[in-house]
Amino acid sequence: DGGITQSPKYLFRKEGQNVTLSCEQNLNHDAMYWYRQDPGQGLRLIYYSQIVNDFQKGDIAEGYSVSREKKESFPLTVTSAQKNPTAFYLCASSKKLAGSSSYNEQFFGPGTRLTVL
Amino acid sequence: GESVGLHLPTLSVQEGDNSIINCAYSNSASDYFIWYKQESGKGPQFIIDIRSNMDKRQGQRVTVLLNKTVKHLSLQIAATQPGDSAVYFCAEKENYGQNFVFGPGTRLSVLP
Repeated sequence: DGGITQSPKYLFRKEGQNVTLSCEQNLNHDAMYWYRQDPGQGLRLIYYSQIVNDFQKGDIAEGYSVSREKKESFPLTVTSAQKNPTAFYLCASSKKLAGSSSYNEQFFGPGTRLTVL
Repeated sequence: GESVGLHLPTLSVQEGDNSIINCAYSNSASDYFIWYKQESGKGPQFIIDIRSNMDKRQGQRVTVLLNKTVKHLSLQIAATQPGDSAVYFCAEKENYGQNFVFGPGTRLSVLP
């Protein structure tokens, strides 16, 4: 089955620790995204990547880092510099429109709930 | 379940009635719009999309209406069922834009 997966579903972190959230897709999508979701707010973009070995900061990149070594994988590291990391993290992917620089709809993974103890 | 949507506006409808969920957008250059459904503890699911060259698009039990003059988008769900209970949010993107902007969402509660 094609899809986008995230792991773990729940993650607990002590203050001062870095943690890495996994995101994998087998849809052959070009672009991948990381969002943060907080109660009562729309999704906020952390980082995105349109091609392997390249990624761009989103609106709230501070305290986060990513890598895109493979087309299928886009892990997110929440560093100790992120002051308020408790949130629901969503990964998404999308395919580039043929002959265009634009992208189709984004498909989301099931999310990872991160809680800082 | 997840704490997503604790402070969202809520729409309560009787099972079998039609639901209308609204979304106002701010960017007049946006030309592609999507409605997503998010159940508790899960990632958002694509429901239906519409481009700015259309003002109405229908799917199975869902209809999206776009009014570019007042920058308003609505999602209509016919014969609402208990399984429709979720948070619904809209997303907008400019033509050739890279990224979407997401609304905060509306919680739909279906009453038996």
